[in-house]
Amino acid sequence: GAVVSQHPSWVICKSGTSVKIECRSLDFQATTMFWYRQFPKQSLMLMATSNEGSKATYEQGVEKDKFLINHASLTLSTLTVTSAHPEDSSFYICSARRAGGPDTQYFGPGTRLTVL
Amino acid sequence: SQKIEQNSEALNIQEGKTATLTCNYTNYSPAYLQWYRQDPGRGPVFLLLIRENEKEKRKERLKVTFDTTLKQSLFHITASQPADSATYLCALDSNSGYALNFGKGTSLLVTP
Repeated sequence: GAVVSQHPSWVICKSGTSVKIECRSLDFQATTMFWYRQFPKQSLMLMATSNEGSKATYEQGVEKDKFLINHASLTLSTLTVTSAHPEDSSFYICSARRAGGPDTQYFGPGTRLTVL
Repeated sequence: SQKIEQNSEALNIQEGKTATLTCNYTNYSPAYLQWYRQDPGRGPVFLLLIRENEKEKRKERLKVTFDTTLKQSLFHITASQPADSATYLCALDSNSGYALNFGKGTSLLVTP
């Protein structure tokens, strides 16, 4: 159990377009999901915390108007990169914490975004 | 500022040997520490969690120690196999609820 999926697994888009990435917990309910970004050879950096039914909490330096997060249900959170630019190219990974579960997080397989 | 430091250089060991990876942290008082495995182009996979009141934890060929005085965790893989080759990440709870702060990871290569 505790499977998290992401869609798409990779996407290539033109500069200025918007891209939506979905994160789903397949076999458990997740009141909290997290979005991370990872550049090559770097660590995962937390972007925002997504809580079901409320606004996301963004980390310092992350533009909330650029990275729109919606946690519409207990199994789905979406990250929309608006007006993407080449510097937004990165590996985006979500994770989910099982409601009422242990302190572990379950990570999705990641989405590789390339902005041309 | 808070820092999590892991061996920056890749660790190359021979199959069958024990791999030991280090995680040091500063300006943290973590309730727990976690280790994850990450393969290229994939998301991290949870391996072990050790709490502040635990000194050691084992799971199959894995062993983690946690010294809150030294602010250090050691991660051991015994009888290592080529399939253990991956990047191993140390993570601590952040100030943002249950979100995690990660180290940069240590790349392990196990050769036959």
